[in-house]
Amino acid sequence: EAGVAQSPRYKIIEKRQSVAFWCNPISGHATLYWYQQILGQGPKLLIQFQNNGVVDDSQLPKDRFSAERLKGVDSTLKIQPAKLEDSAVYLCASSLRRDSRFYEQYFGPGTRLTVT
Amino acid sequence: AQSVSQHNHHVILSEAASLELGCNYSYGGTVNLFWYVQYPGQHLQLLLKYFSGDPLVKGIKGFEAEFIKSKFSFNLRKPSVQWSDTAEYFCAAGSGGGADGLTFGKGTHLIIQP
Repeated sequence: EAGVAQSPRYKIIEKRQSVAFWCNPISGHATLYWYQQILGQGPKLLIQFQNNGVVDDSQLPKDRFSAERLKGVDSTLKIQPAKLEDSAVYLCASSLRRDSRFYEQYFGPGTRLTVT
Repeated sequence: AQSVSQHNHHVILSEAASLELGCNYSYGGTVNLFWYVQYPGQHLQLLLKYFSGDPLVKGIKGFEAEFIKSKFSFNLRKPSVQWSDTAEYFCAAGSGGGADGLTFGKGTHLIIQP
């Protein structure tokens, strides 16, 4: 079974520029998550999708961050404009379905973003 | 507010020593608990999980964790560590009954000296 795929793996941009990250979840996984992991901290949930609908985006800084999951498969997370404090690893995860009592989240390798 | 706290940020042990990493959670309602591991250069992997039933949970690579509801704890243990256990360990919690996003602790960086 192929894992969660993410690209790019690394990205360096200057502040005020825009950037986009892509995620392809495990085939058949209805639920997709984006997390932000700042150095020295645990991952923090940014947004959760169930198929192509948003379930939870309460911690997403909506003035600069946006995400979409068209067709309920791949997802894109965008930052526009980027700030220095956005430097972090952006993790994508997926799970089989939201109403499963024994769900497990599978994580991708992440995209390391450096904002200079 | 939901939160997860890990007691130690850095732990250094010698091979064959016993390991216990502390984790406490604050969660309303039913909670599901997880330990994830991140080996150097690799992505997060699930070590073990607790949903209900036997509070002593066994995971991969000889790890186990005990859910103590009265103490709001879910400590990770291994009786004898190996050099290959060097990694970052994260405790996480999620609401019961649905695949909601997880709340993670800050992680414990474990170094095993040969």
